[in-house]
Amino acid sequence: RKEVEQDPGPFNVPEGATVAFNCTYSNSASQSFFWYRQDCRKEPKLLMSVYSSGNEDGRFTAQLNRASQYISLLIRDSKLSDSATYLCAVNKGWGAQKLVFGQGTRLTINP
Amino acid sequence: GAGVSQSPRYKVAKRGQDVALRCDPISGHVSLFWYQQALGQGPEFLTYFQNEAQLDKSGLPSDRFFAERPEGSVSTLKIQRTQQEDSAVYLCASGLAGDHGELFFGEGSRLTVL
Repeated sequence: RKEVEQDPGPFNVPEGATVAFNCTYSNSASQSFFWYRQDCRKEPKLLMSVYSSGNEDGRFTAQLNRASQYISLLIRDSKLSDSATYLCAVNKGWGAQKLVFGQGTRLTINP
Repeated sequence: GAGVSQSPRYKVAKRGQDVALRCDPISGHVSLFWYQQALGQGPEFLTYFQNEAQLDKSGLPSDRFFAERPEGSVSTLKIQRTQQEDSAVYLCASGLAGDHGELFFGEGSRLTVL
């Protein structure tokens, strides 16, 4: 079993829709969680960190469920520019900066 | 520039050749990571430096892969006797120390082994 697992998609949704992805992780000692966005042939860029209490940044909401060991990303009122691959990343454990990435979920927003 | 810089951006090698990939991290960033990303996959960890010390090289796929960061700044990833399965994008990332910090990625070096 992979340490970090994501549904690779692709997800194709119409503009304006709400879309959500989950990401599961296997290391219960993990403390830091992130969502990265990667455009085609570009480098990953941090979208948002995920905090225990959940956090929101505009149209994006990230949540952490420690009991079930998953994190989620919700995108509301999706825009064409949201089309990208979304990577979840989890650190290896307490005090560890090394990030383990999921396979990525590919999202396409259609006009 | 202020970001992580990698070179070359593209490298085509014949099977068996040695290649060297360079990473210039953001100035002042203590941590430096190398990741390998195959098409359609997420980045896979290769190795990690804190300053000049290589603290974790557990992700290096074979002894043909070697990384160094002798002065705690620029890093080089060397692949000896390249094989076709080495074809991938090699991403370098840097960050400040600490386990809650963001990693900043370079644009990557795309290696194709023929």
